[in-house]
Amino acid sequence: EPEVTQTPSHQVTQMGQEVILRCVPISNHLYFYWYRQILGQKVEFLVSFYNNEISEKSEIFDDQFSVERPDGSNFTLKIRSTKLEDSAMYFCASMIDRGPNEAFFGQGTRLTVV
Amino acid sequence: AQSVAQPEDQVNVAEGNPLTVKCTYSVSGNPYLFWYVQYPNRGLQFLLKYITGDNLVKGSYGFEAEFNKSQTSFHLKKPSALVSDSALYFCALKDYKLSFGAGTTVTVRA
Repeated sequence: EPEVTQTPSHQVTQMGQEVILRCVPISNHLYFYWYRQILGQKVEFLVSFYNNEISEKSEIFDDQFSVERPDGSNFTLKIRSTKLEDSAMYFCASMIDRGPNEAFFGQGTRLTVV
Repeated sequence: AQSVAQPEDQVNVAEGNPLTVKCTYSVSGNPYLFWYVQYPNRGLQFLLKYITGDNLVKGSYGFEAEFNKSQTSFHLKKPSALVSDSALYFCALKDYKLSFGAGTTVTVRA
């Protein structure tokens, strides 16, 4: 069964450092997302991406964040200068369309900022 | 604004008893509603969805959900809970993205 894969599973970084979280969405999916979950709490939308551009972003997704699809398979989330409050679980998701089909989620990257 | 709410932070049931996890929604038009489950240190797994048609939707692992338009609810149910159903459950609403409720922690005791 096709799946969304994320690397690394766990990343520890020092405050102020840049991190890149990587995702490989399901190959025929067209819509890509990043979500954040702090300590088993609510899953918060960060950004959606379609046709090589951001289609929607939340208030959380400020200038420190960026997304990219550098090739035909990877989808990355970059945090330019990490803060302690960026510590969270980051999930990538993909959908085949915006209709009634479900989103498929990766296993997540646990980011710890120290 | 479109949203979902999960009024209970926690649900505790004994194994073998029925399990219900509540969700209410607010949306203009017809909703696409989903349930996802998250096991510890894992990603979100799709359980079931309501698009249109039958108000009772069946999903994975013996779960089902009842869509009630008049009460704007989409409660998740399982007739006989297992200890292995202990997890975090999220209700979600889809427009161009999924918007999640706050989550309900389900604990099934042996």
